[in-house]
Amino acid sequence: EIVMTQSPATLSVSPGERATLSCRASQSVSSNLAWYQQKPGQAPRLLIYGASIRATGIPARFSGSGSGTEFTLTISILQSEDFAVYYCQQYNNWPPLTFGGGTKVEIK
Amino acid sequence: QVTLRESGPALVKPTQTLTLTCTFSGFSLSTSGMCVSWIRQPPGKALEWLALIDWDDDKYYSTSLKTRLTISKDTSKNQVVLTMTNMDPVDTATYYCARIRLGGDYVGYYFDYWGQGTLVTVSS
Repeated sequence: EIVMTQSPATLSVSPGERATLSCRASQSVSSNLAWYQQKPGQAPRLLIYGASIRATGIPARFSGSGSGTEFTLTISILQSEDFAVYYCQQYNNWPPLTFGGGTKVEIK
Repeated sequence: QVTLRESGPALVKPTQTLTLTCTFSGFSLSTSGMCVSWIRQPPGKALEWLALIDWDDDKYYSTSLKTRLTISKDTSKNQVVLTMTNMDPVDTATYYCARIRLGGDYVGYYFDYWGQGTLVTVSS
């Protein structure tokens, strides 16, 4: 089973600043990685797939990069609506499909 | 417009069997490339994938939970059903169903649409 590790667990950022979230896979997942955003009381929302492809309707301030075992989600200019928990998910080697533990982006 | 909605009991007792139904619209599970999956999330914790069924009726399960899970589909009703046996308080979670669509320019098992989730509490 591929283990996904996200860091940091919590990221404190001021609105208008850049946020950089990391996701590491226990073995290579190529570019088969997705990112999701989850706000309190809501279902996750797909942001990025294929490590760097923005899903439909996702603003350009969200970008994904990386391949193999190291991935990054960058939010270039944090808006108030971006404070949420973010999860990565690999789909290269499954079952099982596996998620990271999440990074909470909170207001500094 | 793609929508998914989970339904089932809010409370189950330990050792009971949980049955959850995902009712969806906007796509058909008889269409090549379509899949529906179940994912759960204990309160305050991370997401955990449980099971997947595809258009060809292939079924896949979580390694750790496979002996307790059964996933099935009723294409005519646009429904996917998940059963989980021998429920325990640690199974208390919000259970989501979500869609995977394979095909087009890029193929990958990621979830593009999610239901709103249903909270299941396991307690005597």
